[in-house]
Amino acid sequence: QKEVEQDPGPLSVPEGAIVSLNCTYSNSAFQYFMWYRQYSRKGPELLMYTYSSGNKEDGRFTAQVDKSSKYISLFIRDSQPSDSATYLCAMRPSTTSGTYKYIFGTGTRLKVLA
Amino acid sequence: DVKVTQSSRYLVKRTGEKVFLECVQDMDHENMFWYRQDPGLGLRLIYFSYDVKMKEKGDIPEGYSVSREKKERFSLILESASTNQTSMYLCASSFGQGNGYTFGSGTRLTVV
Repeated sequence: QKEVEQDPGPLSVPEGAIVSLNCTYSNSAFQYFMWYRQYSRKGPELLMYTYSSGNKEDGRFTAQVDKSSKYISLFIRDSQPSDSATYLCAMRPSTTSGTYKYIFGTGTRLKVLA
Repeated sequence: DVKVTQSSRYLVKRTGEKVFLECVQDMDHENMFWYRQDPGLGLRLIYFSYDVKMKEKGDIPEGYSVSREKKERFSLILESASTNQTSMYLCASSFGQGNGYTFGSGTRLTVV
């Protein structure tokens, strides 16, 4: 079993829809959670970052962490064709060892249809 | 903005060649990483470094080595390229603990 699971999609939605992207994980020690967006033939770019549990909102994007269920979500409101990309979740435990590497999901491909 | 620059966007190399992938960041980040990205497998960590001259193996280091002689530069070396190393290679950097990565645009390497 992978430490981080993410449905690969593709997920197709009409413009204006609310999109829900999800990741599940198995390591209860994970404390730092991130979402990246990757356009075709580009490197991933950081979208949202949360520490431990709770919600975080930034414009049309909301990130949620449910540590009891080991489940994180990214919601996109009023989705636009420009949101069409692959969305990667990433997470890691708190550590004092000096190594700050994240575990990535395989990504969900999102298509927003005009 | 932090910038991570990878020297080549596309590379084609022959089997058995020694290949150098260069990565430079301009924001004094102490942590640097090399990943490869393959369809269905996601990002897999090859090597990382959290200080000059320091390196640690990631999940798939076989067939690769790295060099970090200066803080801003982290090089990935394919000692003898093989066709199964055909992939997208992504360099990333970060600072401190708990901060996100800044990725480069990637190098798409094809080994023929």
